[in-house]
Amino acid sequence: AQTVTQSQPEMSVQEAETVTLSCTYDTSESDYYLFWYKQPPSRQMILVIRQEAYKQQNATENRFSVNFQKAAKSFSLKISDSQLGDAAMYFCAYRIQGAQKLVFGQGTRLTINP
Amino acid sequence: KAGVTQTPRYLIKTRGQQVTLSCSPISGHRSVSWYQQTPGQGLQFLFEYFSETQRNKGNFPGRFSGRQFSNSRSEMNVSTLELGDSALYLCASSLDTQGNQPQHFGDGTRLSIL
Repeated sequence: AQTVTQSQPEMSVQEAETVTLSCTYDTSESDYYLFWYKQPPSRQMILVIRQEAYKQQNATENRFSVNFQKAAKSFSLKISDSQLGDAAMYFCAYRIQGAQKLVFGQGTRLTINP
Repeated sequence: KAGVTQTPRYLIKTRGQQVTLSCSPISGHRSVSWYQQTPGQGLQFLFEYFSETQRNKGNFPGRFSGRQFSNSRSEMNVSTLELGDSALYLCASSLDTQGNQPQHFGDGTRLSIL
């Protein structure tokens, strides 16, 4: 069974600094996708960034980037120049190719200190 | 373009009752997935529908059921409610069922069982 583990229940960072959220996963599949979702208090799950497993290049979306280590089954999220609006729960998620089912980690609560 | 709409936003029921939650996907999206979010179990996949057919089902008892209509709107039903069914129920829609397109989430329905 596929599992996703986020070992940091809570993280905090000063505004404008950089923070890295960790995620590891376990799968025997070769084709899959990895995601980071953000869930602010408003509850809506917002897609932050996605990575296809077959791509060696790490995905980047503005201030958000990932460090994808396929052999190590590691998928960390780096947030640069942290802003107050980045405060939220962050979920790492996995999905195999050809399916819609997302498997989520337990989440990391990120606090931004002004 | 309107996002994923879930109704109602909040719901309070008592044990033994049944409940129906509704999800209207983004226009043009034919795949709808449902997730249950609780503090203890995190985010868990309930089921996925595409073109009125259930494509995948998570590990939930038969009290949890769903359906999709020809306009892609989906409903999920929970019968004989238990205290443990208290959760945030999230719906996500996508253009396809192969996982090539990202899933977009609604704001969820907060179900409380008294």
